[in-house]
Amino acid sequence: QQKVQQSPESLIVPEGGMASLNCTSSDRNVDYFWWYRQHSGKSPKMLMSIFSNGEKEEGRFTVHLNKASLHTSLHIRDSQPSDSALYLCAASMSNYNVLYFGSGTKLTVEP
Amino acid sequence: DAGVTQTPRHEVAEKGQTIILKCEPVSGHNDLFWYRQTKIQGLELLSYFRSKSLMEDGGAFKDRFKAEMLNSSFSTLKIQPTEPKDSAVYLCASSPDWGVNYAEQFFGPGTRLTVL
Repeated sequence: QQKVQQSPESLIVPEGGMASLNCTSSDRNVDYFWWYRQHSGKSPKMLMSIFSNGEKEEGRFTVHLNKASLHTSLHIRDSQPSDSALYLCAASMSNYNVLYFGSGTKLTVEP
Repeated sequence: DAGVTQTPRHEVAEKGQTIILKCEPVSGHNDLFWYRQTKIQGLELLSYFRSKSLMEDGGAFKDRFKAEMLNSSFSTLKIQPTEPKDSAVYLCASSPDWGVNYAEQFFGPGTRLTVL
């Protein structure tokens, strides 16, 4: 069973709209969450990370974390066509550098 | 500062061949990872090295996949013998020591392997 589950599998939003992506871990040992973005034909690149309960904002991107439910979400406001990519959520444990990746959400932003 | 480099970028092999993929991590990074990525399975961990010591060998991939760290700045992934189901993108990533606290992984450009 995969440790990390993402939803939805794919998402289409209009340019300027809000995209919301979800991620949950089934392993209570994880305590750090990561969001990576992978454009078509490219390798994954870290977008944001979070380990404290609450919210973290960087420009148009906001990440939420609820540690009790091991649920994280990524919100992209004012979505741009350049945001179209595969968004991968990953979780890790204290003092162990392995990332457990979900299957990803494919985001398409339509002009 | 150079990122993670991988060679070759593309590889075509016949079924049964032995292929070797290469990776150079970011200078100074102590952790190195090999992943396989396919549309169906997503990103799968093949191996994890910390300071050249093998920490994880990706269970299901043990029999035909062997990763080695020859020194702190060079790693290889050998697939022997190759099968068509091995067709995928193979990604190498590196990160600083855990002491940096939950270190980010930096990925190389990947090697696209096609097995005929």
